[in-house]
Amino acid sequence: KAGVTQTPRYLIKTRGQQVTLSCSPISGHRSVSWYQQTPGQGLQFLFEYFSETQRNKGNFPGRFSGRQFSNSRSEMNVSTLELGDSALYLCASSPGTGYEEKLFFGSGTQLSVL
Amino acid sequence: SQQGEEDPQALSIQEGENATMNCSYKTSINNLQWYRQNSGRGLVHLILIRSNEREKHSGRLRVTLDTSKKSSSLLITASRAADTASYFCATDWTPGNQFYFGTGTSLTVIP
Repeated sequence: KAGVTQTPRYLIKTRGQQVTLSCSPISGHRSVSWYQQTPGQGLQFLFEYFSETQRNKGNFPGRFSGRQFSNSRSEMNVSTLELGDSALYLCASSPGTGYEEKLFFGSGTQLSVL
Repeated sequence: SQQGEEDPQALSIQEGENATMNCSYKTSINNLQWYRQNSGRGLVHLILIRSNEREKHSGRLRVTLDTSKKSSSLLITASRAADTASYFCATDWTPGNQFYFGTGTSLTVIP
């Protein structure tokens, strides 16, 4: 069974640009969650999608958005990039049943904003 | 913040020693999980303990949970250099998949 795939692995952008990150979950998993990881803040929950609907949302500005497609693949978009958006963005998938869910993480996309 | 906090932030031990790290959280939970992260990579699930359980074992891992104190501990016995990683606790306390992670304990096992 293939794991969670995130692309690209590394990304360098400049302030003001926008970026789109992609996540392909494990086959059969319907829930995809996104996290931002920075050295000072640890893992911060961005949002979770289930069956193409955003089910949960963390405390991030509207510049951070996402979507999920019918095949459960998900994309995350950050507009008007700021220096503080530099981070490792992690995607995690799970079945989505909500009972003792275990998250399966991708290797992440390392975003650097210059 | 609903996040948990791990303690200590960093831990350095010799190979063969035991490593203990603690996690505190703020709200009632359904279960608590521990994850490991090797440098710059994704997290890997280690163990899940339900809110009605007090202790759980998996190989060299032992997890305890005290819901009255809102705390958990992870013990790694007979540590190996390959155990060098960051360890995070995660709690789910809302309907749906909204997990909150602690800030992590960075474990270094010296060969």
